[in-house]
Amino acid sequence: DTAVSQTPKYLVTQMGNDKSIKCEQNLGHDTMYWYKQDSKKFLKIMFSYNNKELIINETVPNRFSPKSPDKAHLNLHINSLELGDSAVYFCASSRDTSYEQYFGPGTRLTVT
Amino acid sequence: AQSVTQPDIHITVSEGASLELRCNYSYGATPYLFWYVQSPGQGLQLLLKYFSGDTLVQGIKGFEAEFKRSQSSFNLRKPSVHWSDAAEYFCAVGANSGAGSYQLTFGKGTKLSVIP
Repeated sequence: DTAVSQTPKYLVTQMGNDKSIKCEQNLGHDTMYWYKQDSKKFLKIMFSYNNKELIINETVPNRFSPKSPDKAHLNLHINSLELGDSAVYFCASSRDTSYEQYFGPGTRLTVT
Repeated sequence: AQSVTQPDIHITVSEGASLELRCNYSYGATPYLFWYVQSPGQGLQLLLKYFSGDTLVQGIKGFEAEFKRSQSSFNLRKPSVHWSDAAEYFCAVGANSGAGSYQLTFGKGTKLSVIP
């Protein structure tokens, strides 16, 4: 009965590679988000999608691109990975009339 | 722009003792406030939220929080801490970003350690 799921849970890759993280929610929510949690545990929003429309883009590098094939999925593509991209990435979702966000378990990305 | 400050980076309490985690926010309008908990290696779980009404809100796991507009605070409390409460706690303020999207701005978190 997982509400928000992410794959993979761990991702180790080398600098310069391109990778994707997948997120799925089965809550019927309309809005999905990506957050980055750095090594000091600071959480910052990266993107949100509502009905396939990008709503927020918090000055993240354009190497990061969210892709939403449908309302239940929001994938994160990262090109030309850099050491500074190492972090835990969280997906979340909410109803479009609610501030209450439900978070996935996170994907720990390590760039070597 | 909104912001959240959690003054305490790390707090250690004995099991059975009471707990208060501090949170101060900055937001121009009526704030929507949240407390989330993150256990080691886990995602974030919502403990409680304040939207309006009674300024003392009850959450899961025996937690409560009190909204004080005059102090711009939303402190989290628990009367008796259990060892399983050891985790990272995040306070957040919500803002409407338009078109059905609601942005959460998080504090930097407070790590709670519990001594048996």
